[in-house]
Amino acid sequence: SAVISQKPSRDICQRGTSLTIQCQVDSQVTMMFWYRQQPGQSLTLIATANQGSEATYESGFVIDKFPISRPNLTFSTLTVSNMSPEDSSIYLCSVDKGETQYFGPGTRLLVL
Amino acid sequence: SQKIEQNSEALNIQEGKTATLTCNYTNYSPAYLQWYRQDPGRGPVFLLLIRENEKEKRKERLKVTFDTTLKQSLFHITASQPADSATYLCALDWGDSSYKLIFGSGTRLLVRP
Repeated sequence: SAVISQKPSRDICQRGTSLTIQCQVDSQVTMMFWYRQQPGQSLTLIATANQGSEATYESGFVIDKFPISRPNLTFSTLTVSNMSPEDSSIYLCSVDKGETQYFGPGTRLLVL
Repeated sequence: SQKIEQNSEALNIQEGKTATLTCNYTNYSPAYLQWYRQDPGRGPVFLLLIRENEKEKRKERLKVTFDTTLKQSLFHITASQPADSATYLCALDWGDSSYKLIFGSGTRLLVRP
């Protein structure tokens, strides 16, 4: 299993600004994932972050808008850049442990 | 592209009854399927994984079936309790050995005392 923490847990931001979300895992993992979950919707994968390589983004998500860092095997950040109200969502990180994913509690973002 | 469907309507049942949730998928053949529980304001929590060559898997009061011909999984909670009230998500692998998952939209379960 894995215990994952995220910071901040929630934030209210002005449009045009950027927010960096941190994800910390209690053990070393190769793969970390970032998801977005809009109200009443399911989870949509933004990107996969492997330590030591560039993040791989899914269709509809680009690095300029969602830059990701993965400096070591227990930590990753996701930045939501130049925010608009459409970016209001819950952002979750997860790690893979043998085909099972363990999720952080999520960061609830509201953009005004 | 792959598509996963879960009943978007909430399931409302009486305590002690069996809850049955459905997950249907189209356009591909996953190697495995997983079920997660998500409570409001929390991240999903893994419950069960079933592989394509397994018909059924159990864990305590939970049972999952996987019919690759029908492209359907059923998730059962027997002797349901109010504490089982949550949203239940099914998830399938992307089919490319990447460990990425595609999630359904989830079904909300409400167990009345």
